[in-house]
Amino acid sequence: KAGVTQTPRYLIKTRGQQVTLSCSPISGHRSVSWYQQTPGQGLQFLFEYFSETQRNKGNFPGRFSGRQFSNSRSEMNVSTLELGDSALYLCASSTNTGGYGYTFGSGTRLTVV
Amino acid sequence: TQLLEQSPQFLSIQEGENLTVYCNSSSVFSSLQWYRQEPGEGPVLLVTVVTGGEVKKLKRLTFQFGDARKDSSLHITAAQPGDTGLYLCAGGSGNTGKLIFGQGTTLQVKP
Repeated sequence: KAGVTQTPRYLIKTRGQQVTLSCSPISGHRSVSWYQQTPGQGLQFLFEYFSETQRNKGNFPGRFSGRQFSNSRSEMNVSTLELGDSALYLCASSTNTGGYGYTFGSGTRLTVV
Repeated sequence: TQLLEQSPQFLSIQEGENLTVYCNSSSVFSSLQWYRQEPGEGPVLLVTVVTGGEVKKLKRLTFQFGDARKDSSLHITAAQPGDTGLYLCAGGSGNTGKLIFGQGTTLQVKP
């Protein structure tokens, strides 16, 4: 059974640019959540999608957005990148919403220069 | 705002020693999950506890959920170098996929 796949694994972008990260959940998993992990703030919730609908959103600016497709694959987009957006972005999937245990991908390491 | 305070932040012990990691909050959670994360990888789920007072064992690891569902602990017996990693607790609330994570405990077990 394939795990959660995130692409790309590493990304270097320039301040002001935008970036799109991709996440393919485990087959059959309809809930996809995104988290930002930094040394200072730890893991912080960005948003959750379930059956193509955003169910929850964390306290991040509107520059952070996401979507989910009919096959449950999800993308997140960050526009007008800032140096502080440098982080490990993690995607997690579950069979349904409810916070009872997620399978995380290996993450995308984004560096903004 | 829900917060989870995890302690200690760092732990360096010798192989064979026992240790306990604590996760505390003033908020009630419907579930408490523990994850372990290796460098450069995503967190891996170890256990989910949902009932107040619940105790779960996973080989040498024992997880407990507080009676009031506000705190949890992870106890490792006879730690081994393979236990080295970042341990994270995370609280879940009802029908929401949002997890509140603790800051993590970095465990180093020396041979």
